[in-house]
Amino acid sequence: GAVVSQHPSWVICKSGTSVKIECRSLDFQATTMFWYRQFPKQSLMLMATSNEGSKATYEQGVEKDKFLINHASLTLSTLTVTSAHPEDSSFYICSAQYRGLNTGELFFGEGSRLTVL
Amino acid sequence: EDQVTQSPEALRLQEGESSSLNCSYTVSGLRGLFWYRQDPGKGPEFLFTLYSAGEEKEKERLKATLTKKESFLHITAPKPEDSATYLCAVQGPGNTGKLIFGQGTTLQVKP
Repeated sequence: GAVVSQHPSWVICKSGTSVKIECRSLDFQATTMFWYRQFPKQSLMLMATSNEGSKATYEQGVEKDKFLINHASLTLSTLTVTSAHPEDSSFYICSAQYRGLNTGELFFGEGSRLTVL
Repeated sequence: EDQVTQSPEALRLQEGESSSLNCSYTVSGLRGLFWYRQDPGKGPEFLFTLYSAGEEKEKERLKATLTKKESFLHITAPKPEDSATYLCAVQGPGNTGKLIFGQGTTLQVKP
C-alpha cells in the first residue's frame, strides 16, 4: 500500500525554539496533504490543508503564523511550529491524498510527537 | 454543524466475544464514511469506506455497515491483536479530502 513517512517521529525542544516536521509520500504523488493534531485520548483535529504550490488553508482557530506549512513538491509537505510553547506539545500527524483521487481514503504518516519543555 | 460521535468510549472484550462499535454522524451531504484503526503512538490505518446507506464491507474479523444516521463496526470473535483505537470519520460535500473524526473507541481484547 501507499506509504507516507513523517520525520522526526519524536522531538523535544526548548520553549521559544522552532521545530520542523516533514511529511513525504514515498510511492505516489500527493496533490493535497493534511496536517492533524491529536492531544492525549482525543481524536484527530484538522489543522490545515496543504496544496502543492499554493498557500495552505487553515482551520478556524489555528494560527497560520505559528504553524507554517510549505508544500513545495508533490511528495513533500513541511510543518514548522514557530516559537513553540509547552501548550504546543502534541502528536502531529500528516496525511496525503492521491493526486487526482478525491476521496477520504487518506494515507497517514506515523505521526510526530512534539514535547516542548 | 457536522459532527461525529462514537460509542462506547472504551470497550473491553474477552477473546472470542463479538461486539459492535457505533458511529453516529450528522453531516450535510455525506460523501463517505471511513473507519480507521490507530495503534498507540501511530498514525491511523485505513480500514473501510462506506458511501451509501445499506452498504457493507468486510475484512477478516471486521464488518462495517452504514445507515443514514450511523455506522457500526462489528467485530466477530476478536483476538488480542485487534486491540486498538477505532476511529470513524466522515467526509462532507465539496471537492476536498477533509475528514471530520469522532473521538474513537478504544478496544481491549483480553486473551
